[in-house]
Amino acid sequence: SQTIHQWPATLVQPVGSPLSLECTVEGTSNPNLYWYRQAAGRGLQLLFYSVGIGQISSEVPQNLSASRPQDRQFILSSKKLLLSDSGFYLCAWSPRSIAKNIQYFGAGTRLSVL
Amino acid sequence: AQSVTQLGSHVSVSEGALVLLRCNYSSSVPPYLFWYVQYPNQGLQLLLKYTSAATLVKGINGFEAEFKKSETSFHLTKPSAHMSDAAEYFCAVRSYSGAGSYQLTFGKGTKLSVIP
Repeated sequence: SQTIHQWPATLVQPVGSPLSLECTVEGTSNPNLYWYRQAAGRGLQLLFYSVGIGQISSEVPQNLSASRPQDRQFILSSKKLLLSDSGFYLCAWSPRSIAKNIQYFGAGTRLSVL
Repeated sequence: AQSVTQLGSHVSVSEGALVLLRCNYSSSVPPYLFWYVQYPNQGLQLLLKYTSAATLVKGINGFEAEFKKSETSFHLTKPSAHMSDAAEYFCAVRSYSGAGSYQLTFGKGTKLSVIP
């Protein structure tokens, strides 16, 4: 069966520090991968998605970047965190098949920028 | 462009009462619709999905949703609320973003409280 892992679960970082959140998927190949941010009362905002290694699409201009160095690895990064980067970050994957396009979510990372 | 509106950011029901969470969508193509549930500090779990087959969709944990094209709605219901149903619920609509990838556009969520 397929599983998705996100770490760390919680993170407290000072303003101006770098960020690296990692997401890996097991039990499947060629998944579509997604990073979302969830802010209170604002639902989920899609940040990045990827359909393959090195292929990243950005949905919202921001202080963050994403990379996909391996087929089942998706990394969210920042060189210098802002207070507004605080939130709950969720990674998700979906099968490449159009007929099976349900998204499956990781447990999330709670980021607090102080 | 696709969009989703969830009416009511907070809904409270008594244990054993009917749960009704409202979702209206806007889509330029026949929609694929989803309901997800999120328990505190956890990721999202798929409850059910509508993919143009039966209009009444049954999901996990006793939830179901009915697709009504004339009303552009996909409301989530459960006949009898249980304490364990307390969570936040998100409605989402799928849109094609090119290169074989689909995106989900989510509503802002409805937090369900169940009163003993």
